[in-house]
Amino acid sequence: AQKITQTQPGMFVQEKEAVTLDCTYDTSDQSYGLFWYKQPSSGEMIFLIYQGSYDEQNATEGRYSLNFQKARKSANLVISASQLGDSAMYFCAMREPSSGGSYIPTFGRGTSLIVHP
Amino acid sequence: DGGITQSPKYLFRKEGQNVTLSCEQNLNHDAMYWYRQDPGQGLRLIYYSQIVNDFQKGDIAEGYSVSREKKESFPLTVTSAQKNPTAFYLCASSMSGRGGEKLFFGSGTQLSVL
Repeated sequence: AQKITQTQPGMFVQEKEAVTLDCTYDTSDQSYGLFWYKQPSSGEMIFLIYQGSYDEQNATEGRYSLNFQKARKSANLVISASQLGDSAMYFCAMREPSSGGSYIPTFGRGTSLIVHP
Repeated sequence: DGGITQSPKYLFRKEGQNVTLSCEQNLNHDAMYWYRQDPGQGLRLIYYSQIVNDFQKGDIAEGYSVSREKKESFPLTVTSAQKNPTAFYLCASSMSGRGGEKLFFGSGTQLSVL
């Protein structure tokens, strides 16, 4: 079973509108971290936002916010006021403890976001 | 500036050949990772290392090998046993491998088979 599920292969949004990218996760651990990364066509991976499993407030970083619903195991990324430069692949990721004690990052399959002018 | 350097940017492999992808970091990070990216598959973990001279297999280690002789270097060898090596390979690091640490990524190597 996948640990990170991103159900939207592709999303379209009008410039200046908000968009939500979905992410659900599967873990039995109480301590874990959730991340979102952006990958433009150049291939580099850019860190956007982090949410710890014990954080009670949703994380925010500028135009990015993470809608964390722990009971639903959901960590959706909300991008407000979309810009043309937001067009990219977006990956949700989780770090959870492995059997050896280290926290191994696992990624979803990604969502391709296209922002229309 | 500190960061992760991957080389080469493009690499071509002939049938039966082993090739090595370079990954160097000057961030003084303990943990390093290799991921393979295929279209529509996301990033899949090949190998990771939490400390010098120690590394563990990820989800798709078959056909790959690594070494971690120096803290700053984590080269990945794609062996002839890897029958479908064409993919985009990303190297990453984090400070110590704890749960709240973000990954820092290199710019990637695109490997293709001739």
